[in-house]
Amino acid sequence: AQKITQTQPGMFVQEKEAVTLDCTYDTSDPSYGLFWYKQPSSGEMIFLIYQGSYDQQNATEGRYSLNFQKARKSANLVISASQLGDSAMYFCAMRGHTGRRALTFGSGTRLQVQP
Amino acid sequence: GAVVSQHPSRVICKSGTSVKIECRSLDFQATTMFWYRQFPKQSLMLMATSNEGSKATYEQGVEKDKFLINHASLTLSTLTVTSAHPEDSSFYICSAITGGRVEETQYFGPGTRLLVL
Repeated sequence: AQKITQTQPGMFVQEKEAVTLDCTYDTSDPSYGLFWYKQPSSGEMIFLIYQGSYDQQNATEGRYSLNFQKARKSANLVISASQLGDSAMYFCAMRGHTGRRALTFGSGTRLQVQP
Repeated sequence: GAVVSQHPSRVICKSGTSVKIECRSLDFQATTMFWYRQFPKQSLMLMATSNEGSKATYEQGVEKDKFLINHASLTLSTLTVTSAHPEDSSFYICSAITGGRVEETQYFGPGTRLLVL
């Protein structure tokens, strides 16, 4: 079984600054994938970035990067140069090599970008 | 990325009626679709997994007779909330994958907001 923990219910950041959203995970699978999704107020789930457990480098996608520390079982999302449109809920999720195919989600972090 | 549609986006119904929600993968064949439920300010909770041509697998605590799931084709899954009650009011969101590899992105529909009066 997999478990995702997001300990920050809410975060504030000033526009144009960087922000880190925390995510820790627990799994017995030696192979797994970690995902981050953004959910704006409209409700749609937008895929942001993926990190594989065996990837040698941290994943990056534009202004999003993933700070993957395998030994600490953490996969923090870093958003650089925050924009007002980044205000949303952010969910960390994972899937193991074994077990169910559906992603397991954390409780989410609400990010508010202030002008 | 892949596109998943969901219909209707919003529905209001009277208590005791049934509501059907459709989920379609528009540009890929979805061997597996998932149905999630999300209460306000909470995370997504998996309700069930459906595979094309077979019975859905429900998560513990989800009533299969109340939440009927049909995955009739590789592009369509439906969720029917039978005899809906106010406590069924929630945001329902579907998701689809092709094969379920560890690295496969799970694409989501836009969700359906159900309000039962």
